[in-house]
This record gives sequence, C-alpha cells and structure tokens, in this order.
Amino acid sequence: AQSVAQPEDQVNVAEGNPLTVKCTYSVSGNPYLFWYVQYPNRGLQFLLKYITGDNLVKGSYGFEAEFNKSQTSFHLKKPSALVSDSALYFCAVRDAKAAGNKLTFGGGTRVLVKP
Amino acid sequence: DSGVTQTPKHLITATGQRVTLRCSPRSGDLSVYWYQQSLDQGLQFLIQYYNGEERAKGNILERFSAQQFPDLHSELNLSSLELGDSALYFCASSPSKWGGSLATNEKLFFGSGTQLSVL
Repeated sequence: AQSVAQPEDQVNVAEGNPLTVKCTYSVSGNPYLFWYVQYPNRGLQFLLKYITGDNLVKGSYGFEAEFNKSQTSFHLKKPSALVSDSALYFCAVRDAKAAGNKLTFGGGTRVLVKP
Repeated sequence: DSGVTQTPKHLITATGQRVTLRCSPRSGDLSVYWYQQSLDQGLQFLIQYYNGEERAKGNILERFSAQQFPDLHSELNLSSLELGDSALYFCASSPSKWGGSLATNEKLFFGSGTQLSVL
C-alpha cells in the first residue's frame, strides 16, 4: 500500500520569507513523487515531480522539492514566498511498480502568505 | 487551461437522486481519472479508465459507477445520493495507462471540478 502524510494543515508565512510545505510518504517499491497546487475554485495544477536522478527537483513558479530517501520525505520549498502563492498544496505518491497511474494524495496543506 | 473539461461546474440536488458528471479529457489523452475532494477525506482517487476499459479502482462506492466512451469522454454516475456525497469531483487525464518512464505522461492534467451539493 502507498500513503502520503502532510503533517501541517496550514502554513503561514510572510511575503518574501522562505516557504516549506512538508510531505512524507510510504511505498513498498520506489516512489514517484508529485506536488500539485489548487487555487480557489480551480482544478489542480502540476508543480513538479520526482521520478529518478537528482534529489533536488525544480518546478513551476519558482518552487523546488528535495527527495530524501532515508527520511522518506519530499518537502516543497520556495526561497521567497509571494502573496499569490496562497493556495492548497497536495503531495502525491505512486509506487513505481504499481499498475495504472493511481496516485495517492496527502490531505493537503493550506498556505497563507501575508503581505 | 489544462485542456480537461468538466461539466457541469455546479450541481445541486436532493438526497436519493441520481446525477451524472461529465469529463472530456485533453485531446489525445487515453486515460481518465476521477477524484473526490471533500473537507474531511481530502483528495480520494475513485477510478481510472484507459481507452474505454477500467484500469484501476480506488475508494469508489457501489452507488457510484463510471464509464469511458469510444470518443474517450467519461461519465461518473452517482446514485442514491446522500448528504455525505457533497464534494468537489475532479476529472484528470493523461496520455498513458501507467507510468514507468521519464516522459511527461507521468503528469496528470486536472479539470476545474464539479461542485456537487446534496441537500
């Protein structure tokens, strides 16, 4: 079975400060890891993914994430947050050996960036 | 714009009723996925279809069913609706039936969702 945990329901950060959204995962095989963002009244948008290779993955809108196999984590980071980054962020995992493209999502973390 | 179209955007109905949600995938995508997002359950995978056939099944209730048609659009049917079925239902699409490569087909493209309110 595969699972994802996002331990923080909400993250508050001041504009210009670094932003981190935490994610830990559990899979039986190798993980494929993803971050999605949901803006109000809109669908999910892809931010970035880790499949293999460099542990530091760079994605859209200045976001990046670091894959840490020993800690089974895939935290999302942005060096300098913008007010427009306020949204709901979802981490997702898929077992590389699993059939289908079924992703398991975390519960989501609401990010609030204050001016 | 992801290229995935979901209709209707909003749906209000009563308990015990039946509704159909529709999804048109991105042009060329063969896989369609349905997700349910509710306040208490977060985002839950329901079911995946690939080129008309069921590919993977998640936490989908027996009262719910889905199908994918020859033109690749998909419908999610929800019957005997209960208050707890109120949620945002997302459809997503991708080119492949499963991952396993480094190609961009690992990415899912999501529609804007259908907000279902059961009163």
